[in-house]
Formats: sequence, structure tokens, C-alpha cells
Amino acid sequence: DADVTQTPRNRITKTGKRIMLECSQTKGHDRMYWYRQDPGLGLRLIYYSFDVKDINKGEISDGYSVSRQAQAKFSLSLESAIPNQTALYFCATSEGTLGRGELFFGEGSRLTVL
Amino acid sequence: AQSVTQLDSQVPVFEEAPVELRCNYSSSVSVYLFWYVQYPNQGLQLLLKYLSGSTLVKGINGFEAEFNKSQTSFHLRKPSVHISDTAEYFCAVSSTGANNLFFGTGTRLTVIP
Repeated sequence: DADVTQTPRNRITKTGKRIMLECSQTKGHDRMYWYRQDPGLGLRLIYYSFDVKDINKGEISDGYSVSRQAQAKFSLSLESAIPNQTALYFCATSEGTLGRGELFFGEGSRLTVL
Repeated sequence: AQSVTQLDSQVPVFEEAPVELRCNYSSSVSVYLFWYVQYPNQGLQLLLKYLSGSTLVKGINGFEAEFNKSQTSFHLRKPSVHISDTAEYFCAVSSTGANNLFFGTGTRLTVIP
């Protein structure tokens, strides 16, 4: 089984719908992240969390919210999806600060907003 | 502010030929540099990283990269590629205490039989 698991892997929805992407990890890491990947733009950080009580905005948090339900679970919500939120979303974890550490990624959740 | 530029969006190369994927960074502080690889339908995984010390860094699957401070570059190389190296490669930069990795836009390596 994967260390970082994302559900769903694929989702098609309509404009205005609420969507939740879920992430769970078995690595025992405190730090979790949500990234968005767009062709030609690389990966951009949406939100990150150091523990269940510490959640921080990333580069592109507008239109998104997150919830850290437990050390192992970190979900991303789109309250009212719009077409330009169509992208590949990745959850990741790290053991410490990213300055010297490594990110461990899930396999991604592909979201299409019509 | 930190950023990376990957100069080539696509690199086709024949099997068993050498390859170099280029990455230049911009930072006002000391940097840590990374190369990640994304195989089709998978998440990213770390290929190699430069934190300090020797400027030549060896990674998995026969890849290596050289940190060049004067050129602000961290190019990725492999002397002989295989079909299985077909993937997208991302260069990334961070610094001490950072809470984010800044990724480049990626280079799609296609190995041609």
C-alpha cells in the first residue's frame, strides 16, 4: 500500500459544486502539504500544515480550504468549484522543514470542473 | 525570493544516448537544490538533492547533478538513458528553515527506442 494515499484519484464535477479531496498517510510525518500541478506551471503550494492545530496558506490558497482531522489526515476542499480549478492535485508529507528534507507525494487526484 | 527556471520543456533523446536537463535558480540566500521525477500517472519522487559539500551529487537510477554557484545552475545528467527514464523531471529550490519547495515548470524527457 502507498505511504500517502489520495482519494478520489479522478473526479469530474460541475461549476459551483463543493468538492473534497482526501489524503491519508502512514509515514508518521507531522507536516502535510497540498500542491496543485498545471501543465507548464509546475507545482504550486496551496496549503500546508505542521500539525492538527497549525495550518498555513501557501502561494495560491484563494478558493480553497483545508482541514487537518488527525496527524495522518489532511483534506482539501473547494467550496464552489470553478473551471480554472481543473488541475492535478497532490498531497505530500515531510519529516521536517523542507530546507533539507524530502517531500513524499501521493499519486495525485485529477479534478475536472465543467 | 527564490525561483527556478527549467530551460527545456521537452527533451527527446535516443536510447543509450547521454542527456542533460538544465536548471537555473535564483535566490538571495544559500540554497538547497533538488531534482524530482514524475513517472506517468504517479506522484513525484526525489531523484537527488544538494544540501552542501561536494558539488557533484549522485542520485538514483544513474542520474547525477552538479551544483555550480557561479552559474547558478544545477543541471541533471545521465550518461546513457533507458526507455524507463521517460518521465517528467522537476528542479526545485528551498533554503534553511523553508516551508516550501519552489518547483520549476518541468522537463518532459522522452527516450526514443
